[in-house]
Amino acid sequence: DQQVKQNSPSLSVQEGRISILNCDYTNSMFDYFLWYKKYPAEGPTFLISISSIKDKNEDGRFTVFLNKSAKHLSLHIVPSQPGDSAVYFCAAASGGSNYKLTFGKGTLLTVNP
Amino acid sequence: GAVVSQHPSWVICKSGTSVKIECRSLDFQATTMFWYRQFPKQSLMLMATSNEGSKATYEQGVEKDKFLINHASLTLSTLTVTSAHPEDSSFYICSARVTGSTDTQYFGPGTRLTVL
Repeated sequence: DQQVKQNSPSLSVQEGRISILNCDYTNSMFDYFLWYKKYPAEGPTFLISISSIKDKNEDGRFTVFLNKSAKHLSLHIVPSQPGDSAVYFCAAASGGSNYKLTFGKGTLLTVNP
Repeated sequence: GAVVSQHPSWVICKSGTSVKIECRSLDFQATTMFWYRQFPKQSLMLMATSNEGSKATYEQGVEKDKFLINHASLTLSTLTVTSAHPEDSSFYICSARVTGSTDTQYFGPGTRLTVL
């Protein structure tokens, strides 16, 4: 049973436009959410996170929105750049001493010049 | 800041041998480190949580006698794949959580293990 779902395996966007990556979760105990970017054969790179007490967090071109009632979060990238092309993983954590992360399967974003 | 390194970056070994992978936090202390495995086109699956000075906590279905974890210091955790078999071939990634900080984990670059 997958607790974190990224239903779109891939997304293609034109350079300069907005990229919207979606993520749904089922475990209501999750209280912290993160987005990671990953290139092939490399480890994930942390992008942005959001606590469940917020509904929006912004960092430069990246904005994460959280809708707790819908158990849904999204990552907006604007403007999209070709260098943003990578796999984006959504991850969620619940409180506790170890804060284990549960990852989605990822969405491959391709930004076309 | 918050750099995590892994060594080696790739390794090829014969079936039945053991392989050790190191994970180091370079510029911070990490009481807790995590080991993940990723198969092609799949998500990162948590294998175990490594706590400095104590035994690792393994996820369900992960054999603790096969995947030995040692977290001897605040900057180093090791994963040893014992008696490796071809089905153990995968991409192994570690992460570290900054001690006393938020829930953010910083990941190493990963180790590609191929067992022949």
